[in-house]
Amino acid sequence: KAGVTQTPRYLIKTRGQQVTLSCSPISGHRSVSWYQQTPGQGLQFLFEYFSETQRNKGNFPGRFSGRQFSNSRSEMNVSTLELGDSALYLCASSPGTGGGSGYTFGSGTRLTVV
Amino acid sequence: AQSVSQHNHHVILSEAASLELGCNYSYGGTVNLFWYVQYPGQHLQLLLKYFSGDPLVKGIKGFEAEFIKSKFSFNLRKPSVQWSDTAEYFCAVSRVSGTYKYIFGTGTRLKVLA
Repeated sequence: KAGVTQTPRYLIKTRGQQVTLSCSPISGHRSVSWYQQTPGQGLQFLFEYFSETQRNKGNFPGRFSGRQFSNSRSEMNVSTLELGDSALYLCASSPGTGGGSGYTFGSGTRLTVV
Repeated sequence: AQSVSQHNHHVILSEAASLELGCNYSYGGTVNLFWYVQYPGQHLQLLLKYFSGDPLVKGIKGFEAEFIKSKFSFNLRKPSVQWSDTAEYFCAVSRVSGTYKYIFGTGTRLKVLA
């Protein structure tokens, strides 16, 4: 079956702009989690959505937001981009909430803020 | 606060050498434990997971991990590494009860010399 699909793969944005990233989970998976991956900080949890509801949120400012649609697809939005937002953004899906059975990750969206 | 520590940030081994990557976590309650691998240019993949039962868990590609509850550890092992094991390895811990937390370690970069 198809894996987790993230679009776009690469993005270059200017400081102050906003960006929207998209994630399509594995068919049948209802949970989508987002992570920020950087060389210095590793994987930092952003938020998790399950059945269109945000179930948990990490320690990121309010500029980072997300949503999930009825087909489980999810989008993540970052407003007023800062240079420090440059990172690989990973989406992970799992059948149930909490990732207890393990995540399936997408290839990520590499965001560069200039 | 719950945390996951991977003390070895970079490991270099020759082919056929044995591998052990350390992972320690700080949460005292019931946890699920995971190892993920990220091969160069590829997305994160689940290597193995521990939920309960036999503390020695076998995963894909000859990897295994041992859960030692008294040491809060979940070390990854492989008796004989191959050049194709060159990758970054992440340990992750998920709380079973209470507020959902799924925390990744900062990763260990393994380079295997042919």
